[in-house]
Amino acid sequence: DGGITQSPKYLFRKEGQNVTLSCEQNLNHDAMYWYRQDPGQGLRLIYYSQIVNDFQKGDIAEGYSVSREKKESFPLTVTSAQKNPTAFYLCASSAGTGAFHEQYFGPGTRLTVT
Amino acid sequence: GENVEQHPSTLSVQEGDSAVIKCTYSDSASNYFPWYKQELGKRPQLIIDIRSNVGEKKDQRIAVTLNKTAKHFSLHITETQPEDSAVYFCAARMNRDDKIIFGKGTRLHILP
Repeated sequence: DGGITQSPKYLFRKEGQNVTLSCEQNLNHDAMYWYRQDPGQGLRLIYYSQIVNDFQKGDIAEGYSVSREKKESFPLTVTSAQKNPTAFYLCASSAGTGAFHEQYFGPGTRLTVT
Repeated sequence: GENVEQHPSTLSVQEGDSAVIKCTYSDSASNYFPWYKQELGKRPQLIIDIRSNVGEKKDQRIAVTLNKTAKHFSLHITETQPEDSAVYFCAARMNRDDKIIFGKGTRLHILP
């Protein structure tokens, strides 16, 4: 089954704990993205990566961290510094840079922190 | 900073009628404008897109128009059907990098 996958679908954590969300793609895409979706807020960019071992902050990067050690993988860590971590998190990838490439989204992970 | 405004936030239309969703963008260097549809509990999926060198694009019942001078673009859905009920997001891609800015979404309800 090709495409972009996220795991787990649902994640529950206690306040003060760091948690890592997985994102894997087998599309051979160069660019990967993390978005946060809250009701009425649309999709807000957390981090994105255009190439392995490089990434840039999006609009709401505070309290999050990422790594891009492999082309296929772009994990997101939600740290205890993120004040409102409960949200739906979407990962996406696109084929390249500098062109008009469609973003393909994963199924999302719903994180609940109590 | 870069911004994409989307209106309305909620839209209800009678089945068979047309629906129009409008977006404006702030960065005049934006060159690519995709529209995504997100059904309840599912991932967003691209339904149509338009590049900055084109004024209009159609795909069956869906069309998108772009006015670069005014920095706005619109999604038109004709002959709406129940399966068109979903949240629709417009977006604009910045020319200088791969960053795509999304609007806040429009929840479209198709009434029987």
